[in-house]
Amino acid sequence: DAKTTQPTSMDCAEGRAANLPCNHSTISGNEYVYWYRQIHSQGPQYIIHGLKNNETNEMASLIITEDRKSSTLILPHATLRDTAVYYCIVRPVGDDKIIFGKGTRLHILP
Amino acid sequence: NAGVTQTPKFQVLKTGQSMTLQCAQDMNHEYMSWYRQDPGMGLRLIHYSVGAGITDQGEVPNGYNVSRSTTEDFPLRLLSAAPSQTSVYFCASSLVLAGYNEQFFGPGTRLTVL
Repeated sequence: DAKTTQPTSMDCAEGRAANLPCNHSTISGNEYVYWYRQIHSQGPQYIIHGLKNNETNEMASLIITEDRKSSTLILPHATLRDTAVYYCIVRPVGDDKIIFGKGTRLHILP
Repeated sequence: NAGVTQTPKFQVLKTGQSMTLQCAQDMNHEYMSWYRQDPGMGLRLIHYSVGAGITDQGEVPNGYNVSRSTTEDFPLRLLSAAPSQTSVYFCASSLVLAGYNEQFFGPGTRLTVL
C-alpha cells in the first residue's frame, strides 16, 4: 500500500475553510484517495474519496493534484463539530482493507 | 437500519480470561473487519472477512480469533486476555464493490485487561 504523510495537527478558526494536506507521492494508478475522520471516542466516519478528479459532496471537497502525489481535503466552513482526527488513506481498487495512518488532529477554534 | 452494532460497550477482564466481542450489521455487507485503537494512536487492523466462511489476518492478528458463519455477524474472540490487549475495539462493514466502498464503523467496545 502507498504511504501517506499528514501534518500531526492543525488549527482553524470557526467559520473559515479548513484545508488539510496529504502527501502520497508513491501512489499507483489504480489507487484511490479516501478521507475519514474520527470525532473523539467515536468510530471513524467516511468523508469523501477520489481517483484523479476533484470531488465534492455535502461534507467536503477533495482536490487531487494532477500528478496525484498529493491531495487536500477542504471543509468549506468549519464548525466546532469538525474538531476531529482526519485520516488520509490510499487504497487500491479491489482491496477492501483500510489501513489507517496517524492522521491530522484538527482543532477548530471559536 | 441499526447499522453496525457492537456489544458490550465496556468490559473489564482479568489476565487469562477469555471473551467474545460481538459485531453485527444489518446492511447485507459482505466485508467486515475489526480494528483496535490504543490511547492516542491510530486504528490497527486485526482481522477481516470478505464474506461468510472467509477470514484473513490484518496488521495485528496475534491473540485474536475470528469466524464468519453468517453475513450479519463477525465476532472477535480473545482466547487468553493480556494487559496489552487493553484498547478500544471497532468493528466495520462495507459492500464489496470494485473501485469504491464506504466503510461503516460501530461505536466501539472499550476493553480493560487487569
